Amino acid sequence: NAGVTQTPKFQVLKTGQSMTLQCAQDMNHNSMYWYRQDPGMGLRLIYYSASEGTTDKGEVPNGYNVSRLNKREFSLRLESAAPSQTSVYFCASSGRTPNSPLHFGNGTRLTVT
Amino acid sequence: AQSVTQLGSHVSVSEGALVLLRCNYSSSVPPYLFWYVQYPNQGLQLLLKYTSAATLVKGINGFEAEFKKSETSFHLTKPSAHMSDAAEYFCAVSLDNQGGKLIFGQGTELSVKP
Repeated sequence: NAGVTQTPKFQVLKTGQSMTLQCAQDMNHNSMYWYRQDPGMGLRLIYYSASEGTTDKGEVPNGYNVSRLNKREFSLRLESAAPSQTSVYFCASSGRTPNSPLHFGNGTRLTVT
Repeated sequence: AQSVTQLGSHVSVSEGALVLLRCNYSSSVPPYLFWYVQYPNQGLQLLLKYTSAATLVKGINGFEAEFKKSETSFHLTKPSAHMSDAAEYFCAVSLDNQGGKLIFGQGTELSVKP
């Protein structure tokens, strides 16, 4: 009964380093999302994937890339980390029917120094 | 363009008291609205959603919300707070009425005093 699994849980990077956040879901959902959460700003959509093989930009895509590897997996890559990318990152998935709820992972807390 | 405003970043109530968390939205189309809850060190969970079927929506854990088009509001209420309700609550509006592309409010942290 895993749901949405994110790795790693915590990460510290130096400015300019790169890393990939991994996300996998076992609910056979078509749509997957990456959000970032910052204090006082709620959650903001970075990228989403409506189905396997497609990805689109959200509100705050600059500095990020994504890959929808297959139906289960959706990764987020930071090519050259910046302190402004210090945040908590959440992956989520949802089903095909309109307004299916989002199912969230437990987040990755990233600090860029 | 859609947007969401939550009034009050922090609300404190006594156990057994009424919980009222305020949310106002702006949308150019009939909105789909959601309330999510986040417990410490966890992801968000859906509390309830409004999809135009009924203006009073009941959710999990005794919460409900009423959609008021004239006030562009979707406030969350619970008649009697429990210690376990302490969490952060987010109101959200769907960007395209497809569900997953959401605009979130800033969040309201609810504290419950014994």
